Amino acid sequence: SQTIHQWPATLVQPVGSPLSLECTVEGTSNPNLYWYRQAAGRGLQLLFYSVGIGQISSEVPQNLSASRPQDRQFILSSKKLLLSDSGFYLCAWSHHLRTQYFGPGTRLLVL
Amino acid sequence: GESVGLHLPTLSVQEGDNSIINCAYSNSASDYFIWYKQESGKGPQFIIDIRSNMDKRQGQRVTVLLNKTVKHLSLQIAATQPGDSAVYFCAEKWSGGGADGLTFGKGTHLIIQP
Repeated sequence: SQTIHQWPATLVQPVGSPLSLECTVEGTSNPNLYWYRQAAGRGLQLLFYSVGIGQISSEVPQNLSASRPQDRQFILSSKKLLLSDSGFYLCAWSHHLRTQYFGPGTRLLVL
Repeated sequence: GESVGLHLPTLSVQEGDNSIINCAYSNSASDYFIWYKQESGKGPQFIIDIRSNMDKRQGQRVTVLLNKTVKHLSLQIAATQPGDSAVYFCAEKWSGGGADGLTFGKGTHLIIQP
């Protein structure tokens, strides 16, 4: 069966510091991968998606970036965090452009 | 862009009763719909999906109904249990849109009263 991992689970970072969140998928190959952000009590906002290694599509302008160095690895990064970057970051995978399966999430607090 | 919305932000039901969570969507081109359950501090968990060529689909204790005429989606949970307490999101997608993400509603918080 497929599993999706995210780490760290929780992160507290000062404003202006860099960020690196990692997502990995097991048990499948060539998945579509996604990064979402969820503000407290709100829905999910798509940030990036990838259909293959090195292929990244950005949905919203921001100071975040994403990379896919390996087939089942998706990384969310920032060079300098803003207060507004705080939130719950979710990674997801899918096949056949259908159901997306989510990881456990990373809670980021920027102070 | 077009959006998916939920009618009620909070729904409180008695344990053992049936729950109905509603969702309206605005993109008439959407042809695939999913319900997710999200418990506090966790990622959304897939519950059930339905394609636009169907109007009803049943799972274990859950039923999803799709009314394309009025662009309405509902999730019915039978005999609710304390473990059903969570936020429920509907999501929609147009399969012709490529690999881009799902469009989510804001969610309904289901509270199960003992």
